[in-house]
Amino acid sequence: GENVEQHPSTLSVQEGDSAVIKCTYSDSASNYFPWYKQELGKGPQLIIDIRSNVGEKKDQRIAVTLNKTAKHFSLHITETQPEDSAVYFCAAMEGSQGNLIFGKGTKLSVKP
Amino acid sequence: EPEVTQTPSHQVTQMGQEVILRCVPISNHLYFYWYRQILGQKVEFLVSFYNNEISEKSEIFDDQFSVERPDGSNFTLKIRSTKLEDSAMYFCASSDLGAPYNEQFFGPGTRLTVL
Repeated sequence: GENVEQHPSTLSVQEGDSAVIKCTYSDSASNYFPWYKQELGKGPQLIIDIRSNVGEKKDQRIAVTLNKTAKHFSLHITETQPEDSAVYFCAAMEGSQGNLIFGKGTKLSVKP
Repeated sequence: EPEVTQTPSHQVTQMGQEVILRCVPISNHLYFYWYRQILGQKVEFLVSFYNNEISEKSEIFDDQFSVERPDGSNFTLKIRSTKLEDSAMYFCASSDLGAPYNEQFFGPGTRLTVL
């Protein structure tokens, strides 16, 4: 089955800097890759996703890139703000019914 | 903005007891999911549900687990005889479309503590 690896596990940046989180997946048949932000005590919140027919997608300060050949995808956050501090999870969709396989998460800390 | 809701927010139970976790998916969604997250670990898929039946389930979802949509709004996860290792956050999610178009929206979770 699908396996998703995520790096780094923790990331600390200064406010205004960029943050990059990387994930790799194992199943070449996977074609949907969402990113979730989880704040303390809350459920995962979908922030951006990408499908296998595109290589990059942008939404304001957040962008995701996908390299299907290498089977990796990345989250880029520019001009980071303290409210970006949270745990970020990447995921890949497995199976015909769309269950998600998650990475282990990255704890992002943005220091003012 | 519509959202997935879950009750209770925290459930404490004794080992061997039955628990029912409740979820109200977003109203026009048709696909429902349960995931769990053991403290400090990644979110793990348990089961997906569509058209009043289980679509897929993981190895975690053994005979102690069951799901049900008892009415038009609720979606429940039952653990028949809880074990210590069932302690985790349980998240319900829903989507309006099936794979590969399914953006899944998660509820706030139920923290289950088994003593």
